[in-house]
Order: sequence, then structure tokens, then C-alpha cells
Amino acid sequence: DTAVSQTPKYLVTQMGNDKSIKCEQNLGHDTMYWYKQDSKKFLKIMFSYNNKELIINETVPNRFSPKSPDKAHLNLHINSLELGDSAVYFCASTKGGRGGIGAKNIQYFGAGTRLSVL
Amino acid sequence: DQQVKQNSPSLRVQEGRISILNCDYTNSMFDYFLWYKKYPAEGPTFLISISSIKDKNEDGRFTVFLNKSAKHLSLHIVPSQPGDSAVYFCAASGGSGNTGKLIFGQGTTLQVKP
Repeated sequence: DTAVSQTPKYLVTQMGNDKSIKCEQNLGHDTMYWYKQDSKKFLKIMFSYNNKELIINETVPNRFSPKSPDKAHLNLHINSLELGDSAVYFCASTKGGRGGIGAKNIQYFGAGTRLSVL
Repeated sequence: DQQVKQNSPSLRVQEGRISILNCDYTNSMFDYFLWYKKYPAEGPTFLISISSIKDKNEDGRFTVFLNKSAKHLSLHIVPSQPGDSAVYFCAASGGSGNTGKLIFGQGTTLQVKP
């Protein structure tokens, strides 16, 4: 029973399209994150929601819009896809989040969504 | 500005020997450090962590050492096994306005040869 699950695992699309990636966690965690791993393999935080409230919004283009219908789900919608959006996107969750201390900051990751924009 | 750095992109070790992976950080406000292991086509998996109030944490074959004055941590794996071959990421959290986000290093690919 997967703890953090992302769909789809692979996504190939054309420039200019709009696409969504879904994430669900069954760990009962309060905080969820989206990370982007670029071609240089850096894992960088994009967004974080704590109990449906946006708490982290790094300098990400506003074509990217996260949506959290409840604390177990955090979806990522991307408008007008560009070539540079090609990357692996990881969802993660943690019990902690804002002000989390120590072990509450351990994050659990999904398997990733490999997005290829052609 | 890379606050967490893993300067060795790769490491090759013989099975049974010790693997030492290194990580440096610049932000003295970080108070919690984690190591993640990642296999191809999978997400990072939590391995071991250490709080800034400690200088060592051990879990089976894995030990993490923290040197706060040098802003350096290392992961020791002993004995190394072929199944340990993966990418290892160092991460840090904490600091002012702590939001719980993790700052990752760029990863070190470990290859353990049988």
C-alpha cells in the first residue's frame, strides 16, 4: 500500500498544453510538498501546503498552480507548458511542516512524475 | 546559492569496505540534517538523520557524523553492500521562519562493486 502516490508516472506532451499531476498520501500527514528535479539532478522545493494552506511558494512561474482539496491531496497544474518544464516532479509529505522540529521534518516521497515537453 | 553541497558526484567502493559520503552546508541556522537514498525511477527514501544537538547517530550499518564548527556532515556505510549502490542526497532543514522545507545537495552516486 503506497504511502505517497503520484499519477501519472510519465507524461509526454506538447509545448503550450496544460497538464496536471496528482499526489495523494495515506500517512495522515499535515504537510505536503512539490519538488522539481532538473536535468542537473538538483531537487528543489516548489510549493508546500499545510492543512490546505499554502506555506511555501518558491520563485516558481505562475503557470504552476498547486491545489490542495484536502490535507491528503496536493495536485500540481501547469499551464502553457514550456520546454524548460521538462523534469521529474516529486511529491512529498511530512507530519511536521511549518515550525516542525527534528524528526517531524522527515519527508516521505512519491516515486516521481517524469514530464517531457516536446 | 547552493546552501548544501555534495562535492563528490560519484564514489566507487569495494563490497565489504567502508563508504564515506560527505556533505557541506553554509547556513549555520540549519538544525536538522537528513540523508536520503534514491534508486533509478524511484523517489528518495529516508535513510538516517541527525539533530544539530548531536554529533553522531547510528542505525545498523549507517552512521551519520555532524561537525557543526566545520559545517560538515558525513554518512558512513560499513560494510558496504552491492544493494547500497544508489544516489545519496544530503538535506538540511531549520533556520529562521522554519517552514519545514528541505534544502538538498546535488547527490553522490555510490557504486559498490562485488
